[in-house]
Amino acid sequence: EVQLVESGGGLIQPGGSLRLSCAASGFTVSGSYMSWVRQAPGKGLEWVSVIYMGGSTDHADSVKGRFTISRDNSKNTLYLQMNSLRVEDTAVYYCARILAWGMDVWGQGTTVSVSS
Amino acid sequence: QSALTQPASVSGSPGQSITISCTGTSSDVGSYNLVSWYQQHPGKAPKLMIYEVTKRPSGVSDRFSGSKSDNTASLTISGLQAEDEADYYCCSYAGTRTWVFGGGTKLVVL
Repeated sequence: EVQLVESGGGLIQPGGSLRLSCAASGFTVSGSYMSWVRQAPGKGLEWVSVIYMGGSTDHADSVKGRFTISRDNSKNTLYLQMNSLRVEDTAVYYCARILAWGMDVWGQGTTVSVSS
Repeated sequence: QSALTQPASVSGSPGQSITISCTGTSSDVGSYNLVSWYQQHPGKAPKLMIYEVTKRPSGVSDRFSGSKSDNTASLTISGLQAEDEADYYCCSYAGTRTWVFGGGTKLVVL
């Protein structure tokens, strides 16, 4: 079964760091485009980051320089390293597989709360 | 990276058809046939309903269809059913290796 399971969310103070994980099963992250998407409480979806099959990455302007997407092919796991966290980064973070330019498989989401 | 524009809400009665619009610019929706649509029920992860403007993933009802004209994409749901009540989001590849979502539309089935 094709599946994504996120973990690593939690409560963190502004300025802190957190690393989210997304374990894949049923397919390989190295053979796919993978993305992180977030959703602030009561708000819409916001694209955050993408990693391509070749390993190159891109990030939304709102997180550029603070967040880094990466993957561990041996663990078939996607990561999002989040540094210098801000209150406005509070959201449910989803990982998703991109197939044919659509995000066809999503995880259940992990909640990040940034508050003092 | 400005969000695509969607109506905040639309409504329809069971059996009717509704259309949700998604307006972008010539840099995103207008430049690429890479618009996708997602359905999200409360507390759940989004579900892909349409990709590459008009294509439906396996398992998605043919009551859902997509189209695009210039800088505006549209999602049409025909034969509206109670379980279609959800939030719907459009998404477009925006060039320079980035994606952009719409603000979301709440569909109310009366």
